[in-house]
Amino acid sequence: AQTVTQSQPEMSVQEAETVTLSCTYDTSESDYYLFWYKQPPSRQMILVIRQEAYKQQNATENRFSVNFQKAAKSFSLKISDSQLGDAAMYFCASNAGGTSYGKLTFGQGTILTVHP
Amino acid sequence: DTEVTQTPKHLVMGMTNKKSLKCEQHMGHRAMYWYKQKAKKPPELMFVYSYEKLSINESVPSRFSPECPNSSLLNLHLHALQPEDSALYLCASSPTRIASGRAEQFFGPGTRLTVL
Repeated sequence: AQTVTQSQPEMSVQEAETVTLSCTYDTSESDYYLFWYKQPPSRQMILVIRQEAYKQQNATENRFSVNFQKAAKSFSLKISDSQLGDAAMYFCASNAGGTSYGKLTFGQGTILTVHP
Repeated sequence: DTEVTQTPKHLVMGMTNKKSLKCEQHMGHRAMYWYKQKAKKPPELMFVYSYEKLSINESVPSRFSPECPNSSLLNLHLHALQPEDSALYLCASSPTRIASGRAEQFFGPGTRLTVL
């Protein structure tokens, strides 16, 4: 079984500043993948970044990067140079494949507000 | 074409109505998903199709009936719904076998369903 926990229901950041969204997870699988998805208000969910658990190097996509601490089962998302368009609900998710049949397990989400 | 489309965008139905939601993708993905999402909550998995066969049914009530006529199309037939079924219904697809956790899921914009 997989669980994903996001302990920050809401976060806010000033435009151009940096913000970090927290996520912890638990899984009994040895091979799994972690994702951050973004869902802007009334718009569709899109993938922000993906991390393979077997890779030690933290994933980076432009202004988005993760801090993956496998032993601590922690997977935080850092957004640098925040922009107004980053305002959205962010979901952390895990996908273990195997016996979990590739099911995405989502955290409860963090609403990010970006102030001009 | 790198998108998942869903129709209709909005749907209002009475408890005695029969209606259908439609989802389409032309990315050659062989896994397709239906999710239900309440406001400010994560998506909840309902059904998974892999190679046009139903692979996962998350104990969804029989008033929801999925159908996958071909590899590009996914329907969700609705009958005798309850007001608590009002939600955003999301469709997603992914490119690899669902047993692989690596593949990201591509989400459609959703159908906003209101049951009166």
